[in-house]
Amino acid sequence: GAVVSQHPSRVICKSGTSVKIECRSLDFQATTMFWYRQFPKQSLMLMATSNEGSKATYEQGVEKDKFLINHASLTLSTLTVTSAHPEDSSFYICSLPRPSTDTQYFGPGTRLTVL
Amino acid sequence: DAKTTQPTSMDCAEGRAANLPCNHSTISGNEYVYWYRQIHSQGPQYIIHGLKNNETNEMASLIITEDRKSSTLILPHATLRDTAVYYCIVVPTGANSKLTFGKGITLSVRP
Repeated sequence: GAVVSQHPSRVICKSGTSVKIECRSLDFQATTMFWYRQFPKQSLMLMATSNEGSKATYEQGVEKDKFLINHASLTLSTLTVTSAHPEDSSFYICSLPRPSTDTQYFGPGTRLTVL
Repeated sequence: DAKTTQPTSMDCAEGRAANLPCNHSTISGNEYVYWYRQIHSQGPQYIIHGLKNNETNEMASLIITEDRKSSTLILPHATLRDTAVYYCIVVPTGANSKLTFGKGITLSVRP
């Protein structure tokens, strides 16, 4: 069964609005989660590392004030795309490490379309 | 930047073995070779990983050359559901290592 869930699976919003995407660990606690985005016909690009109880670590070129990450519990991380614009339209995917391994479980992804 | 290079695409017939190559000539001694795949519009799925020995699980086999500069993922009996993008990724040991995805190889399994 699924280890990681994401909600919503797809969302369409108007330009200028904010969208929150949830990533939940269903089977175990995760102190670290990762957020990726994937543009059409491109590979996954790591956006940030979400750390439970502390600030997220963002990759170079990713605006932390635009992509707000909250990891308030050991089973939930949220990514909020603030003031979304059409160029933010993408496939957003979270992942979390399997305990005591370097293997990662990925969520099913969230398709964001900004009109 | 990804430390691996893979062909852009390949295809194989259903029921036949699919051999997916990957070059990682700059791999370090403490780095593993991981394979993930991504079926269209889904999140990636872990397949297999190895350090220097060949590995096999219920999904696939991984053959790593003795000098560890390249590897091959083998799907012994490809099915239509194996059509996906396959990513070969070099990962340093240590918990919670970040993954750097390259472009992967698109495998198309034909009936």
